[in-house]
Amino acid sequence: NAGVTQTPKFQVLKTGQSMTLQCAQDMNHNSMYWYRQDPGMGLRLIYYSASEGTTDKGEVPNGYNVSRLNKREFSLRLESAAPSQTSVYFCASSVADAYEQYFGPGTRLTVT
Amino acid sequence: AQTVTQSQPEMSVQEAETVTLSCTYDTSENNYYLFWYKQPPSRQMILVIRQEAYKQQNATENRFSVNFQKAAKSFSLKISDSQLGDTAMYFCAFMKPPGGANSKLTFGKGITLSVRP
Repeated sequence: NAGVTQTPKFQVLKTGQSMTLQCAQDMNHNSMYWYRQDPGMGLRLIYYSASEGTTDKGEVPNGYNVSRLNKREFSLRLESAAPSQTSVYFCASSVADAYEQYFGPGTRLTVT
Repeated sequence: AQTVTQSQPEMSVQEAETVTLSCTYDTSENNYYLFWYKQPPSRQMILVIRQEAYKQQNATENRFSVNFQKAAKSFSLKISDSQLGDTAMYFCAFMKPPGGANSKLTFGKGITLSVRP
């Protein structure tokens, strides 16, 4: 039981490049989330998926797209990376209608 | 929209002593959940304690307890008998009653706690 896994753990991109951050959970959770963490800002919600087949914008969705590939996987895509997207990205999951979210180990992304 | 404010960026405490971390929030909701998360240098987010707004009794988990003042919209975390392993960033967070679009966490900016040996 690995919980929530994220790949890669670290990534450096040049401005304008694209990439996809992968997230998977093996806890049969319905809901999944993507957050970003910036110094002095706490964690902010980018997108979430309340259930398989649905996705919705969070607080800071601009510059990102998501795909809920199946119940296990929820990916975050940066189509054209910008230095402002330098951040640590966390994926989380939860049972529907439950308060506790389980977080992955995070991906540190640097855009130069 | 909900907001969560942690006004102290850093705190330091001697090992074995007690420290209190402050958090205030703003919401028009009557029922909600409040949380404290710990983020050690490993970066992993760990749930420390939660409080349901409809419960008057303050939550306690071993050395961690909260002082929940609903009318004042205040939610502080007390760590007793501080240990070196408590060194971490601590985040206060808010959630409406979970379900569908409500199951989103709103975080404060966090406070860095250092425990001195």
